[in-house]
Amino acid sequence: AQSVTQLDSQVPVFEEAPVELRCNYSSSVSVYLFWYVQYPNQGLQLLLKYLSGSTLVKGINGFEAEFNKSQTSFHLRKPSVHISDTAEYFCAVTRAGSYQLTFGKGTKLSVIP
Amino acid sequence: EPEVTQTPSHQVTQMGQEVILRCVPISNHLYFYWYRQILGQKVEFLVSFYNNEISEKSEIFDDQFSVERPDGSNFTLKIRSTKLEDSAMYFCASRRTSGGTGELFFGEGSRLTVL
Repeated sequence: AQSVTQLDSQVPVFEEAPVELRCNYSSSVSVYLFWYVQYPNQGLQLLLKYLSGSTLVKGINGFEAEFNKSQTSFHLRKPSVHISDTAEYFCAVTRAGSYQLTFGKGTKLSVIP
Repeated sequence: EPEVTQTPSHQVTQMGQEVILRCVPISNHLYFYWYRQILGQKVEFLVSFYNNEISEKSEIFDDQFSVERPDGSNFTLKIRSTKLEDSAMYFCASRRTSGGTGELFFGEGSRLTVL
């Protein structure tokens, strides 16, 4: 079975500052990793995914994440955040070939003007 | 842009009543999912559905739950006799491709409140 830990439940950051949202996972098999974003009163939207290949993955809205197998991490980063990035961000993992996603508890990103 | 739509957006029901949550996946998608999120907790996988049968289900998805694709467009989740602990946001998702490259598209969710 897989598990995901998002250490930070809330992250406040000033507008135009960089941000990193942390995600660690555990699994005994090869995994796929995902970051989803949920804006208020909306569904989950895929930001980016790692399936295989390059460990640095670029997604929508200027976000990127790096898969680090040795540290079992998949941290999400953005060099300069905007007010519109205020949302809840979910890291998810599944074993390779499956879409039975295991989600983390989510990190609420608040961008301060 | 095509999207997954869910109805109702919010349903309030009495304990013991049957509830059906409806989803219209993206039209050319082949794989369908239900997830739920109890308030303050993680989003949890319930069930996946392909080719008119369940392909995976979690421990949460017990005999009180069932899924159906009654026609070519709808995908439903039925809770036969609701319990207080079924109160949650239920998300439907769909995916087009087989293999490991498809993206899950989620709906906006149906909030179920069991009193």
